[in-house]
Amino acid sequence: AQSVAQPEDQVNVAEGNPLTVKCTYSVSGNPYLFWYVQYPNRGLQFLLKYITGDNLVKGSYGFEAEFNKSQTSFHLKKPSALVSDSALYFCAVSSNTNAGKSTFGDGTTLTVKP
Amino acid sequence: DTAVSQTPKYLVTQMGNDKSIKCEQNLGHDTMYWYKQDSKKFLKIMFSYNNKELIINETVPNRFSPKSPDKAHLNLHINSLELGDSAVYFCASSQGAPTNTGELFFGEGSRLTVL
Repeated sequence: AQSVAQPEDQVNVAEGNPLTVKCTYSVSGNPYLFWYVQYPNRGLQFLLKYITGDNLVKGSYGFEAEFNKSQTSFHLKKPSALVSDSALYFCAVSSNTNAGKSTFGDGTTLTVKP
Repeated sequence: DTAVSQTPKYLVTQMGNDKSIKCEQNLGHDTMYWYKQDSKKFLKIMFSYNNKELIINETVPNRFSPKSPDKAHLNLHINSLELGDSAVYFCASSQGAPTNTGELFFGEGSRLTVL
């Protein structure tokens, strides 16, 4: 069975400060890791993914994430937060052994204050 | 031009009724999904189809029946609606075979309220 943990329900940061949204995972086989963002009353939008290769991946809107195999983590980061980054963020995992099924974390609400 | 479109966006109905939600994608993807997001925003996969073939069927009551007439469409029919079915239902699609590495493209969701 595969699973994703997002240990923080809520993350609050000041505009201009760096932000981190945490994600750890458990999966059989090679992990495929994704971050999505959901704005109120909208569908989820893809931000970035790790499949293979460089552990640091860059995505949309200045976000990046680092795959850490030993810590089974895939934390989302941004050097300088914007108020418009405030949203619900989901980490998801699938693998090469599970027929493409993505399991989502419970989500982390990011609030960026001016 | 919307990539993944769902209709209706809002659905309010009485317990015991039957309702359907339709989904279409114009991305040329092979795989489509239904996800359920509950009131706590938790997201759970329900079904997945690849080229009209059911490949993922999670523990979902058999009152829920997906149908894929072609690979661009995946509809969800729900019989005998219950209060607990109230949720937002998201359709999604992705490229490639079932063991794909492609990201999901989501529709805007269909908010179902059962009274």
